[in-house]
Amino acid sequence: VTLLEQNPRWRLVPRGQAVNLRCILKNSQYPWMSWYQQDLQKQLQWLFTLRSPGDKEVKSLPGADYLATRVTDTELRLQVANMSQGRTLYCTCSGTGGDNYAEQFFGPGTRLTVL
Amino acid sequence: KTQVEQSPQSLVVRQGENCVLQCNYSVTPDNHLRWFKQDTGKGLVSLTVLVHENDKTSNGRYSATLDKDAKHSTLHITATLLDDTATYICVVGDRGSALGRLHFGAGTQLIVIP
Repeated sequence: VTLLEQNPRWRLVPRGQAVNLRCILKNSQYPWMSWYQQDLQKQLQWLFTLRSPGDKEVKSLPGADYLATRVTDTELRLQVANMSQGRTLYCTCSGTGGDNYAEQFFGPGTRLTVL
Repeated sequence: KTQVEQSPQSLVVRQGENCVLQCNYSVTPDNHLRWFKQDTGKGLVSLTVLVHENDKTSNGRYSATLDKDAKHSTLHITATLLDDTATYICVVGDRGSALGRLHFGAGTQLIVIP
C-alpha cells in the first residue's frame, strides 16, 4: 500500500522560476513528514521535518532555495526556487518516535530538471 | 566531510553469485543503521535495520551485520537475481525518533548480469 503520493512526478523548470511540490500522506499513523533531496551525484540529504499544520521552514543549499510548509495533517508542500542544478525531491513519513528506530518511508520522488 | 562511506562504488556480478557491500561511518551517536535498495528512478525501500552492537539480521537473500565499535556494517546478498540490479544505500540514524537525522552514504551500484 502506498503511504505517500507526490506530485508532480517530474518537472522542467526554467532557470529563475520557482516550482511548488506537494506530498500527500495516505496513512495518519505516520505523521512525521520530511523532505530529502537527491542531487545529480545521487547523494541524499535531509532538508526538513515538519509535524504540525502551520509549521514552516526555509533553507538554502548549493543549487536551490527551499521553503517547506506543513499545510494540513496530510499535506506537506515544498517550494523550490533559484534552482541551478537538477535534483530529485523525496517526501518521507514516519511514526512517532521515542527511542525506537522509527522507519522513514519514502515517496516516489519528484524529479526536477533545469532548462 | 562524508560521514558514511560505502564500498565498492560499483560492482558487477553474474546471476547466482553472492556479493558483499561495505559501509563505514563516523556518525555519532549511531542509534541505528539501515540498508535501502533504490531501483533506478524510484524511491528507497528498506531492506533491513540494525540497532544493537553486533546485530545480525536476515531478510530472505539479504543479511546484514553491524559492529558499532568499529562503526562498520556489511550487507550480504546471496544467489543474486537480475532484479537485484539497483543502488544499495547505507543510512545511519543519529536518533531513534522521527526527529533524528539520517546520514546517507553515496551508495553502491550493483549490476547483476546473466
